[in-house]
Amino acid sequence: EVQLLESGGGMVQPGGSLRLSCAASGFTFSNSVMRWVRQAPGKGLEWVSVISSNGGTTYYADSVKGRFSISRDNSKNTLYLEMNSLRAEDTAIYYCAKANLYSSKYGMDVWGQGTTVTVSS
Amino acid sequence: QSALTQPPSASGSPGQSVTISCTGTSSDVGGYNYVSWYQQHPGKAPKLLIYEVSKRPSGIPDRFSGSKSGNTASLTVSGLQAEDEADYYCTSYAGSNNLGVFGGGTKLTVL
Repeated sequence: EVQLLESGGGMVQPGGSLRLSCAASGFTFSNSVMRWVRQAPGKGLEWVSVISSNGGTTYYADSVKGRFSISRDNSKNTLYLEMNSLRAEDTAIYYCAKANLYSSKYGMDVWGQGTTVTVSS
Repeated sequence: QSALTQPPSASGSPGQSVTISCTGTSSDVGGYNYVSWYQQHPGKAPKLLIYEVSKRPSGIPDRFSGSKSGNTASLTVSGLQAEDEADYYCTSYAGSNNLGVFGGGTKLTVL
């Protein structure tokens, strides 16, 4: 079964850090472009970051640039999102997602269940 | 980069058809044939319905169809069913070195 399973969410104070993980199974992770997407409470979807299959290319939303870092370990079939200098506006459900047909131009066809990040004092 | 524009709500009766629009610019929707649509039920992860404007992934019923004209893409849901009640999001590729952009979402109500 193709599956993505996020972990690492929780409550953190403003200025704090968290590391999210996304464990992949049932497909060739090392061939797949991966993204992080977030959804603030009651709000729409927002692209956060994307990483190429070999990890050599990454892009970030302006809202997280310089604070978040996406990475992957293809030997462990795991995607990561390192989040630093967290702000209240980073509070959201964070989803990892796999690109359809090896390019995110074709949409994201597998999604995890999401992990909740709450930034509050 | 601005979000794509979707109507906040849409509705239709069972068996009817409803169309949701998604308006962007020549830098995103109008410039590329890489528009995708997602369905999201409350408390669930999004689900890919349409990619490359009008293609359906395996398992998506043909009641869901997509199209594009100029800077506006559209999702049509035909033969509305109760389980189609959900939020729908469009997104478009906007060039390399760019994450792309989402629409604000449309809440579809089946009356």
